[in-house]
Amino acid sequence: AQKITQTQPGMFVQEKEAVTLDCTYDTSDQSYGLFWYKQPSSGEMIFLIYQGSYDEQNATEGRYSLNFQKARKSANLVISASQLGDSAMYFCAMREGLASGTYKYIFGTGTRLKVLA
Amino acid sequence: GAVVSQHPSWVICKSGTSVKIECRSLDFQATTMFWYRQFPKQSLMLMATSNEGSKATYEQGVEKDKFLINHASLTLSTLTVTSAHPEDSSFYICSASESWSIDSPLHFGNGTRLTVT
Repeated sequence: AQKITQTQPGMFVQEKEAVTLDCTYDTSDQSYGLFWYKQPSSGEMIFLIYQGSYDEQNATEGRYSLNFQKARKSANLVISASQLGDSAMYFCAMREGLASGTYKYIFGTGTRLKVLA
Repeated sequence: GAVVSQHPSWVICKSGTSVKIECRSLDFQATTMFWYRQFPKQSLMLMATSNEGSKATYEQGVEKDKFLINHASLTLSTLTVTSAHPEDSSFYICSASESWSIDSPLHFGNGTRLTVT
């Protein structure tokens, strides 16, 4: 079963407008971390924002904010005032603890965002 | 910020040969590094977790003998694709986190695009 689900394969947004990229997750852990990454066409992975399961407030980083709804197990990324440079692939990821005491990061299928001029 | 360097950025090799990809954490020590594979327009699939001084932990379905991982020091992990075939052509990305803290994001190398002819 998918542990990280991104249901929007592609999204369009007009420049200067806000856009929400959806992410739902599945875990039985009480403590976990959620991350969003941006991957431009050049391929590098850029860390955008983090939300901890125990954080009571939604995370914000500049134009990025996270709409965290723990009961719904969703962690949607909101990009405000979209810019042409925001056109990229966006991945939601979860850090999952393992029985061995180690951990790993699992990624969703991604959403390709295109900002229109 | 934490920097992960990956080399080479691209490589073309003939079928049957082996290719080594290096991943270095430049300004932090990484006891754990993660190797991902990404097919075009798809998500990152975790291949294995590389632990310094011990054997790598491979994900289900990943051939240990084909994808050899060595984590020789706290700053270097290598992935060797042995007896490469065209189906091994892909984008390989390494990553590491600075700490075991749950809010520690993964820092990625710029990836290696492997083409097997």
